Amino acid sequence: DQQVKQNSPSLSVQEGRISILNCDYTNSMFDYFLWYKKYPAEGPTFLISISSIKDKNEDGRFTVFLNKSAKHLSLHIVPSQPGDSAVYFCAAKYTGSARQLTFGSGTQLTVLP
Amino acid sequence: SQTIHQWPATLVQPVGSPLSLECTVEGTSNPNLYWYRQAAGRGLQLLFYSVGIGQISSEVPQNLSASRPQDRQFILSSKKLLLSDSGFYLCAWKKFSGANVLTFGAGSRLTVL
Repeated sequence: DQQVKQNSPSLSVQEGRISILNCDYTNSMFDYFLWYKKYPAEGPTFLISISSIKDKNEDGRFTVFLNKSAKHLSLHIVPSQPGDSAVYFCAAKYTGSARQLTFGSGTQLTVLP
Repeated sequence: SQTIHQWPATLVQPVGSPLSLECTVEGTSNPNLYWYRQAAGRGLQLLFYSVGIGQISSEVPQNLSASRPQDRQFILSSKKLLLSDSGFYLCAWKKFSGANVLTFGAGSRLTVL
């Protein structure tokens, strides 16, 4: 049972435009959400997170939006840069199971120069 | 500052051979430790986690085992590798069970032939 889903395996965007990466979840107990970025042959690095008590969190070019009623979150990158090309994973956790994150399958973002 | 080391970075092993991947964390004490696997074209799957020395929790039945002989050392092992064990293995840590962000190592690429 895949509790965190990233339905788009890939996304291509022109440099300077907005990249929108989507993530859906099924477990209503999830109360904290994270985005990780991964380059080939490297470990994922933490990018940005959001608590379920918020609907938006911003950090520079990166903004995460959370829609709890739809069980949906998205990551916006504005403006997109070629160095943003990577696999992006969304992850979720809930307080009752604080020992682990549940990850989505990832979306390969390619930013074209 | 805390750092996480994982080795070897790349490993090519024949089917039926043993496996040992090692992970150590520096600069912290009593971390929660994790082993994840990223199979080709797939997301991050949690294999094992540990909240203390000698305490191992397994998420999925498989051909692998984990051990935590010291506070900041986490080892992933197999007695006999299968072709399906090929993948990118990631060690991760976080400060305590309530912490939200996992920090990953650089990963180990295992190819079983």
